[in-house]
Amino acid sequence: GEDVEQSLFLSVREGDSSVINCTYTDSSSTYLYWYKQEPGAGLQLLTYIFSNMDMKQDQRLTVLLNKKDKHLSLRIADTQTGDSAIYFCAESGNQGGKLIFGQGTELSVKP
Amino acid sequence: GAVVSQHPSWVICKSGTSVKIECRSLDFQATTMFWYRQFPKQSLMLMATSNEGSKATYEQGVEKDKFLINHASLTLSTLTVTSAHPEDSSFYICSASSPSTDTQYFGPGTRLTVL
Repeated sequence: GEDVEQSLFLSVREGDSSVINCTYTDSSSTYLYWYKQEPGAGLQLLTYIFSNMDMKQDQRLTVLLNKKDKHLSLRIADTQTGDSAIYFCAESGNQGGKLIFGQGTELSVKP
Repeated sequence: GAVVSQHPSWVICKSGTSVKIECRSLDFQATTMFWYRQFPKQSLMLMATSNEGSKATYEQGVEKDKFLINHASLTLSTLTVTSAHPEDSSFYICSASSPSTDTQYFGPGTRLTVL
């Protein structure tokens, strides 16, 4: 079945770049998403990339997609303490708009 | 744009009572809404897919008589947890799918605590 994998934790220093990685199995995914979840809150859509793109940049966020290796990454430049949160990678398969989520990566930014 | 609200944001109830959670898309019409459950430090678990005007499609293992879903309009879906028990305590999150982009936008979640 479809599966999305992420590492569980990442710790960086304020000002450094953060790179959160994700692998997925469904090669038919149309879109791949990155969501951010702060404690006690819902998910905030950060960015998404269409499956025929290799890269997408939006201010401090850069998404890289390697479709051959089914690998997606989110780079956050100049990471701030306010970026501390859980980041979820998700893919949309062929199931009526359902999303398949990874386990989430907890990003901790130290001053 | 693409704002989704949930009400209430938190609720505490006694065991055996029913609780209704509302999910609204505020600035777009959502033909499809999704209901998720999230346990602490875990990912989201899809409970059901709700399409306007039709019965919800439940994921395997989710009791449809326990978790009643109604999607009566293009901007409102409700989840009713019937005869709630302590094991139903969880964070419930809805999302609404924007028809123009097929992207899911999430509500802020509802924390349910059953005593």
